[in-house]
Amino acid sequence: EVQLVESGGGLVQPGRSLRLSCAASGFTFDDYAMHWVRQAPGKGLEWVSGISWNSGSIGYADSVKGRFTISRDNAKNSLYLQMNSLRAEDTALYYCAKDIKLRSKSVAATPFDYWGQGTLVTVSS
Amino acid sequence: EIVMTQSPATLSVSPGERATLSCRASQSVSSNLAWYQQKPGQAPRLLIYGASTRATGIPARFSGSGSGTEFTLTISSLQSEDFAVYYCQQYNNWPGFGPGTKVDIK
Repeated sequence: EVQLVESGGGLVQPGRSLRLSCAASGFTFDDYAMHWVRQAPGKGLEWVSGISWNSGSIGYADSVKGRFTISRDNAKNSLYLQMNSLRAEDTALYYCAKDIKLRSKSVAATPFDYWGQGTLVTVSS
Repeated sequence: EIVMTQSPATLSVSPGERATLSCRASQSVSSNLAWYQQKPGQAPRLLIYGASTRATGIPARFSGSGSGTEFTLTISSLQSEDFAVYYCQQYNNWPGFGPGTKVDIK
């Protein structure tokens, strides 16, 4: 059974940093691209960032480019999101999501077949 | 940037009735379109990808159609568990989601 478990969320002041983690199990982690998707309270879904299976292709939404860094450790079956210079508008539930396609050539080009339950990030003074 | 729009914002339907949800892309995304269902307090669930392919375990009452810029999700006979928010997502050029359609009980 595929499981994605996010952690690392919490309350943080504007301008500070936070690192999210996603622990994956139930599938061959290093065969799939992974993504972060967020959802502000009461709002819709926003793709944040994605990383290919071998970390060779990475993408970011314009709203986080230059502030957030995605990475993965295939030996630990883990995905990370380093979030710097946090803003109030970054407040959201952050989901980790798995790409549907085995070893996709493009991190931009597949949907997500499994999602974690999310970790809440609140940016407030 | 490809902008996704969905209509209507809210759809009120009686159990057993048919529901038709629309999604439009600001430019062609070919068939690179997915639909997700999200219930309160839950993560999204993939229903349809490739515009018309049902994901694993999705009931046959869910069907998708369209290509290019116009897409439709049809739920043939609404069950109680289908009342939720539905999002479309293009993945032709960096993933982008529509604002969602809430399907509620009439």
